[in-house]
Amino acid sequence: GAGVSQSPSNKVTEKGKDVELRCDPISGHTALYWYRQSLGQGLEFLIYFQGNSAPDKSGLPSDRFSAERTGGSVSTLTIQRTQQEDSAVYLCASSLVGTANTGELFFGEGSRLTVL
Amino acid sequence: TQLLEQSPQFLSIQEGENLTVYCNSSSVFSSLQWYRQEPGEGPVLLVTVVTGGEVKKLKRLTFQFGDARKDSSLHITAAQPGDTGLYLCAGASAGGTSYGKLTFGQGTILTVHP
Repeated sequence: GAGVSQSPSNKVTEKGKDVELRCDPISGHTALYWYRQSLGQGLEFLIYFQGNSAPDKSGLPSDRFSAERTGGSVSTLTIQRTQQEDSAVYLCASSLVGTANTGELFFGEGSRLTVL
Repeated sequence: TQLLEQSPQFLSIQEGENLTVYCNSSSVFSSLQWYRQEPGEGPVLLVTVVTGGEVKKLKRLTFQFGDARKDSSLHITAAQPGDTGLYLCAGASAGGTSYGKLTFGQGTILTVHP
């Protein structure tokens, strides 16, 4: 499809396990973002990529969270030793340019993570 | 840290009523976007406002950016059940930062009853 694709759509894991969430942005979009959303709430910024580099990682909650982007395309968000408070929907978005001043973010449908 | 206070958090109205959602901050934003999100989907952009005092209309939706670019409002006229969803405002930082970090409000859950 032409939109942002995220997988898995749902992930249930046990506390202490590692999880990987994948984002495939719109082709040609240089900027990629990860946000976290708790039930019915606003979005919490996690990390931003411009190409393969991450100029802003300030939103990552702890060192258990990491993300990478390869080939200026697919990105993976990894959460190590998951905790129950990590349960949320993880949203990925991409945009054509690296500024949000007027650019539109195109969001995927999200990966719902549940940590038991 | 830039914060966006969005209100009300919940809004439950009857079809045909009017409503306004507010987004306020003590910070200046270079632009402000409004998104709508339906369950199980990602947010979808409704509008971007850039100039202080700007008013944009999208059918029954009217968006306004405050003169000082610190606040915005979304007004819906004659709400319909199809307007039901989570409405999010998001501000882009003013200044020389050239990256795409948007600060989102907490969201307003709108329910329009037939």
